[in-house]
Amino acid sequence: EAEVAQSPRYKITEKSQAVAFWCDPISGHATLYWYRQILGQGPELLVQFQDESVVDDSQLPKDRFSAERLKGVDSTLKIQPAELGDSAMYLCASSLIWTSYEQYFGPGTRLTVT
Amino acid sequence: AQTVTQSQPEMSVQEAETVTLSCTYDTSESNYYLFWYKQPPSRQMILVIRQEAYKQQNATENRFSVNFQKAAKSFSLKISDSQLGDTAMYFCAFMIANSKLTFGKGITLSVRP
Repeated sequence: EAEVAQSPRYKITEKSQAVAFWCDPISGHATLYWYRQILGQGPELLVQFQDESVVDDSQLPKDRFSAERLKGVDSTLKIQPAELGDSAMYLCASSLIWTSYEQYFGPGTRLTVT
Repeated sequence: AQTVTQSQPEMSVQEAETVTLSCTYDTSESNYYLFWYKQPPSRQMILVIRQEAYKQQNATENRFSVNFQKAAKSFSLKISDSQLGDTAMYFCAFMIANSKLTFGKGITLSVRP
């Protein structure tokens, strides 16, 4: 069964360092989402792509976060510089089209900033 | 803005028994979707069940069913014949067509052997 792949699964970094996460959606899925899930809370959308275009990045802290999906397939989320408050689980999800209500989630990257 | 509220932080149920997880939401929209997602420990989130707001009939998926009360803006999940594998965090989520998912804070469900 096709799955959303994410790497790394765990990342520990010091504050002020740069960190990057990678996501490979299910093949053929045009829409890709990055969520941040703080411990004990539900995921919150950071950015949504339709193919290589950003559909929604209203909650992305653009002074330190960036996201790209250059060829409309896999995607990278970067944080520079990392802050203590960025410690969270970063989830990637994909759906067939942006009007599809069913999103498939990856296992996530657990980020700890020290 | 849409909000989703899960007021119970955690629940526990005996294996084989039935448990109900509560969720309320707030929206001024008339056409939307509601979901329950399951997040097992250290595993990815998966969709358990969905409900379209325009459908009056409550959705059912095997041992999982919902009680959708549109006027009360309530959307509870009932798990029948609870199994150890049901131990997980459960998130209620809301979506307007062509828009983003809004999640509640989640509830931790523990199934006791």
